[in-house]
Amino acid sequence: ETGVTQSPTHLIKTRGQQVTLRCSSQSGHNTVSWYQQALGQGPQFIFQYYREEENGRGNFPPRFSGLQFPNYSSELNVNALELDDSALYLCASSLRTSPPYEQYFGPGTRLTVT
Amino acid sequence: AQSVTQPDIHITVSEGASLELRCNYSYGATPYLFWYVQSPGQGLQLLLKYFSGDTLVQGIKGFEAEFKRSQSSFNLRKPSVHWSDAAEYFCAVFSGGYNKLIFGAGTRLAVHP
Repeated sequence: ETGVTQSPTHLIKTRGQQVTLRCSSQSGHNTVSWYQQALGQGPQFIFQYYREEENGRGNFPPRFSGLQFPNYSSELNVNALELDDSALYLCASSLRTSPPYEQYFGPGTRLTVT
Repeated sequence: AQSVTQPDIHITVSEGASLELRCNYSYGATPYLFWYVQSPGQGLQLLLKYFSGDTLVQGIKGFEAEFKRSQSSFNLRKPSVHWSDAAEYFCAVFSGGYNKLIFGAGTRLAVHP
């Protein structure tokens, strides 16, 4: 059984640029959630994708967007990068049957915005 | 509002000593509660979870946690800490309205030899 994988591991971008982060869900899981973890803080929910549609969103602006593909993998896109977007971005996959959808996390992508 | 509070930012214990990490939650309905551990540069690993039933739950790596509804707490314990337990620990509650986990700010555990 393959766990959750994320790419790239690290990324450095300049303010104003755009970035795409990728996540492959655990085998058999149909739901992907994205979290942002700033330094010294707990993860904050960005949004969740189920059946290729956004299904729940946290307090993040529209420049944070995503996609889910038929194979349940997912992308997180961030436009117009700001310095405060520097963080560890975590992807979590789960099998949406009934709550509370136990979530399995990937290793994360460390984004640095300069 | 739903929230999770971990009162201790840093905790240092000696190897072999017992450990208790505190977690308090605010949630209107029956909570689904989790503890995760994060080693430096790593993602989150699930230690244990409480959904219902027995309020004392066992997890991996010798950890256990006790759900106390009257105190809105879900404290993590381990009877004897190993140096490899040094990491950051996060308590989380599942928010059914948005299908998301709400995390506390974390407790960083240091283990002295």
